[in-house]
Amino acid sequence: DQQVKQNSPSLSVQEGRISILNCDYTNSMFDYFLWYKKYPAEGPTFLISISSIKDKNEDGRFTVFLNKSAKHLSLHIVPSQPGDSAVYFCAASGAGGTSYGKLTFGQGTILTVHP
Amino acid sequence: DAGVTQSPTHLIKTRGQHVTLRCSPISGHKSVSWYQQVLGQGPQFIFQYYEKEERGRGNFPDRFSARQFPNYSSELNVNALLLGDSALYLCASSLRRGGLRTDTQYFGPGTRLTVL
Repeated sequence: DQQVKQNSPSLSVQEGRISILNCDYTNSMFDYFLWYKKYPAEGPTFLISISSIKDKNEDGRFTVFLNKSAKHLSLHIVPSQPGDSAVYFCAASGAGGTSYGKLTFGQGTILTVHP
Repeated sequence: DAGVTQSPTHLIKTRGQHVTLRCSPISGHKSVSWYQQVLGQGPQFIFQYYEKEERGRGNFPDRFSARQFPNYSSELNVNALLLGDSALYLCASSLRRGGLRTDTQYFGPGTRLTVL
């Protein structure tokens, strides 16, 4: 049962354009969402997060949007740069109890930004 | 400041053997979580430890165990290794128990385990 899904395995974007990465979730108990970037042979690097009480969070070139009614979030990167090429993971966590400490990840989306 | 560190970087074992992986959290972080990432998938939660106690456990067999030490470092142990245990094992640390809205987990570089 895949509770967090990233339906696009890959995305190719031209440098300077917008990259939009999407993520859907099914568990309504999730209340905190994160995006991580991962380069080969490295661990995931935290990018940006959003709590369920917000619908938008912005940090420099990165903006995350949350649509709770649709159980959907997206990461916008503007402008995209070749150094952004990596695997992007969406992750979600619950409100506590047995879900403490557990991040549930999507399968990842490979972003390639062409010069 | 040093990030999360893990050792060893790579490890090759044979089926039936036992392995111990080590993790040191970011200074000041009291919570450590372990994840398994197989090729082509996202990381899967194995354990979380906070203040030396297990606080969360994923859907992994009893061959997997872990502990946290007084200095908040942690070990992941896997007994009776199977071919399917080949994966990248990631450790993440956070300031406190997960589940709180501002409690972001920061990952180490991982240990690549190959079981032959």
